[in-house]
Amino acid sequence: KAGVTQTPRYLIKTRGQQVTLSCSPISGHRSVSWYQQTPGQGLQFLFEYFSETQRNKGNFPGRFSGRQFSNSRSEMNVSTLELGDSALYLCASSWGGGDSPLHFGNGTRLTVT
Amino acid sequence: GQQVMQIPQYQHVQEGEDFTTYCNSSTTLSNIQWYKQRPGGHPVFLIQLVKSGEVKKQKRLTFQFGEAKKNSSLHITATQTTDVGTYFCAGRGLTGGGNKLTFGTGTQLKVEL
Repeated sequence: KAGVTQTPRYLIKTRGQQVTLSCSPISGHRSVSWYQQTPGQGLQFLFEYFSETQRNKGNFPGRFSGRQFSNSRSEMNVSTLELGDSALYLCASSWGGGDSPLHFGNGTRLTVT
Repeated sequence: GQQVMQIPQYQHVQEGEDFTTYCNSSTTLSNIQWYKQRPGGHPVFLIQLVKSGEVKKQKRLTFQFGEAKKNSSLHITATQTTDVGTYFCAGRGLTGGGNKLTFGTGTQLKVEL
């Protein structure tokens, strides 16, 4: 069974640009969550999508947005990039129930210069 | 909002020594999960605890959930070099829906020969 796939693995962008990250969940999983990981802040929850609807949202500015498609694949978009957005962005999928463990992808390493 | 703290932040041990990390939530949790992230890798689910006072074991790893369901611990007996990584607890609040897991700050474990 294929795991969670995130593309691209690495990205280098300039301040002010925008970026789109992609996540393909494990087959059958309907929930996709996004996390930002930085050395100083740990794993910060961005948002969760379930059956194409945003079910939960973290405390990030509106520059961070996401969506989920009918096949459960998800995309995350960050507009007007700032230096502080440099981080590892992790996507995790699950069945979606309240006790479902998360299965993480390898992440996208975003560097903003 | 819900906050989850872990101590210690770092731990260096000699191979064969025991290791414990503690997790404390600002609010009562419905369940708590533990993840391990190897250097350069992504978090991998280890276990979930649901019941007050629950204790679960996985070989040399022992997980406990506090009676008040606000704290948890992970104890590793006789550490090995394969235990190296960062251990995260992640809690789900009683009122939170879906899969919003709040991750702890993590404990980075280094094991020396």
